[in-house]
Amino acid sequence: DAKTTQPTSMDCAEGRAANLPCNHSTISGNEYVYWYRQIHSQGPQYIIHGLKNNETNEMASLIITEDRKSSTLILPHATLRDTAVYYCIVRDRGSTLGRLYFGRGTQLTVWP
Amino acid sequence: NAGVTQTPKFQVLKTGQSMTLQCAQDMNHEYMSWYRQDPGMGLRLIHYSVGAGITDQGEVPNGYNVSRSTTEDFPLRLLSAAPSQTSVYFCASNRGTPNTGELFFGEGSRLTVL
Repeated sequence: DAKTTQPTSMDCAEGRAANLPCNHSTISGNEYVYWYRQIHSQGPQYIIHGLKNNETNEMASLIITEDRKSSTLILPHATLRDTAVYYCIVRDRGSTLGRLYFGRGTQLTVWP
Repeated sequence: NAGVTQTPKFQVLKTGQSMTLQCAQDMNHEYMSWYRQDPGMGLRLIHYSVGAGITDQGEVPNGYNVSRSTTEDFPLRLLSAAPSQTSVYFCASNRGTPNTGELFFGEGSRLTVL
């Protein structure tokens, strides 16, 4: 399984962009990159996913490098409610559809 | 639309007791899974199911049993609880289509084994 590496923690000022990096150097050609977040004591929440093109939705943007060995999740205007643990996940190509492995994630703290 | 519903939200057990964590989803999702979350460990996959009658093991299956008799329900059974199973448990489901990676999670079940 492709593994991911994320910083343990980051912080960001409210209103500024939060850029969360993720390394997945062993990613395979058919594996997608997913991002989830978990606000304290709640279940994880899906944010975005992509294969090799950059993706954007109402929550965030996902930038994947050309070699696909790393990606960055961008929250364009962080708010206090974005304080959460953010998980970067690579889908297990060899397993059944939907099986995802979560690591330890990045604790993002947005300060006023 | 209830989404993914887990019960109970809190439970305290004594070592050796058995119990079942219930999970139900009303979205007609084929794929369902159970995770446990411990401090500093992220979420670890316990068991998963790709449809009624089909289950498979995840990263940490020991001490847990599952079955999938209907599309809607995916209970997690602890036959003989141990203190090491003290954790927060999350159930999740998704549609299981090739281009959809969105997992829907329940609110969690907090289990303490004394």
